[in-house]
Amino acid sequence: ETGVTQSPTHLIKTRGQQVTLRCSSQSGHNTVSWYQQALGQGPQFIFQYYREEENGRGNFPPRFSGLQFPNYSSELNVNALELDDSALYLCASTHWRINSPLHFGNGTRLTVT
Amino acid sequence: ILNVEQSPQSLHVQEGDSTNFTCSFPSSNFYALHWYRWETAKSPEALFVMTLNGDEKKKGRISATLNTKEGYSYLYIKGSQPEDSATYLCAFGSINNDMRFGAGTRLTVKP
Repeated sequence: ETGVTQSPTHLIKTRGQQVTLRCSSQSGHNTVSWYQQALGQGPQFIFQYYREEENGRGNFPPRFSGLQFPNYSSELNVNALELDDSALYLCASTHWRINSPLHFGNGTRLTVT
Repeated sequence: ILNVEQSPQSLHVQEGDSTNFTCSFPSSNFYALHWYRWETAKSPEALFVMTLNGDEKKKGRISATLNTKEGYSYLYIKGSQPEDSATYLCAFGSINNDMRFGAGTRLTVKP
C-alpha cells in the first residue's frame, strides 16, 4: 500500500506571502489531519477533513485553510505568512474508526524569513 | 488538565534497563489515547490506540495502560535497546474531533 506523501519537503517563503502544502493520503484512508510542529513542542492540531469537509479545528486563525479532494488528498494553505509560521507541517491520514491510528507523512519544513 | 502533559521530558538509560513514561490528559470529552514513536529523520509511527478505561496493550517489549477516569496513561519499555531511542508522543483524541499531542519524552538508550 502507498504511504502518506507530502510535498514539498522544504520551502522558504517571505513574510506576507502565501503557501500551499500538499498531502497524498494512504490508500483506503478517508480522513486527513494537519499538524504544526514548532521546535521543542509536540505537534499542534490545525484541522481535520473527512469526506471533503472540515470536521475538526484547532486553535489556528482563519488564514490557515485547507481542502480535501475526492481522492482524499489534501492541501494546507497559509495566507499572510508570519515569522512564527516557521515550523514542520505534518499531514496524517486515517480511516474514520475509533481505534484507527494516524499514518504520518515525513512533513514539510517551512521557513518564513 | 486542559492540555496533554508528558513526563519526563527526556530520559537516558543503559541498554537492558526497563523504563516508563507518563502521559496526563483531560478526563472529560475522552475519545481515544494514542502513543507514537518518532525516530529522527522519520515520520511518527503508531504504537497503540486505546479507547477503554483499563485498556492494556502490548507490542513486543513495549506496553501501555490507560486510566480515563483520572486522565493518565503509562508507556513501559522492558529491557531497552539502542534502537528504542526515539521521541515518544502521546495524543488525546476528544469527542470534538481534535487531537492534542504532548511535547513528547525523548528516550536515549546507551549501549
